[in-house]
Amino acid sequence: AQSVTQLGSHVSVSEGALVLLRCNYSSSVPPYLFWYVQYPNQGLQLLLKYTTGATLVKGINGFEAEFKKSETSFHLTKPSAHMSDAAEYFCAVSDRAGNNRKLIWGLGTSLAVNP
Amino acid sequence: DGGITQSPKYLFRKEGQNVTLSCEQNLNHDAMYWYRQDPGQGLRLIYYSQIVNDFQKGDIAEGYSVSREKKESFPLTVTSAQKNPTAFYLCASTFRGQNYGYTFGSGTRLTVV
Repeated sequence: AQSVTQLGSHVSVSEGALVLLRCNYSSSVPPYLFWYVQYPNQGLQLLLKYTTGATLVKGINGFEAEFKKSETSFHLTKPSAHMSDAAEYFCAVSDRAGNNRKLIWGLGTSLAVNP
Repeated sequence: DGGITQSPKYLFRKEGQNVTLSCEQNLNHDAMYWYRQDPGQGLRLIYYSQIVNDFQKGDIAEGYSVSREKKESFPLTVTSAQKNPTAFYLCASTFRGQNYGYTFGSGTRLTVV
């Protein structure tokens, strides 16, 4: 069965510093990969996704992620953190095979940005 | 504009009551999902539906029920059998091709009083 691991349930960075949120997955074939952001008391918003093609994916709000098959990883990065980036971030994967393409979710990483 | 609407945003339930959470989408999505979110536990799937008049149990379906009579609507009923219903509930939808990702509603916070 597929699984998603987000290393670090809480990450704290200073404003202007690099943001790195880690996501590793287990899958026998390269899956579809997603990052979502959730602000307090709101729903989730899609940041970016990898399906096929270029392994470096750019998303909204200056975030990007790189699919590394050899490392089974899809880490999320942003060169310079803003205060507005403080939120919960979720990594998710979906199996390419079968009709029941549910997303499998990581437990989330809470990002704090310090002034 | 297209999107998913969840209502109400806040809901209070007395012990022994059934309550229904509404989820409506105008995105013409085929599949709809209900998740429960508790602090530190991520998103847990309650029920999902790929087409009208069909739905499947997720990982934590006990104490919940759903219906899918219309493509646009996927209401969730939290029954009195759900012993710990206080949580944040999220509805999502997508086209059946999963590479589109999900679109989420803004959530309903249910509290037992």
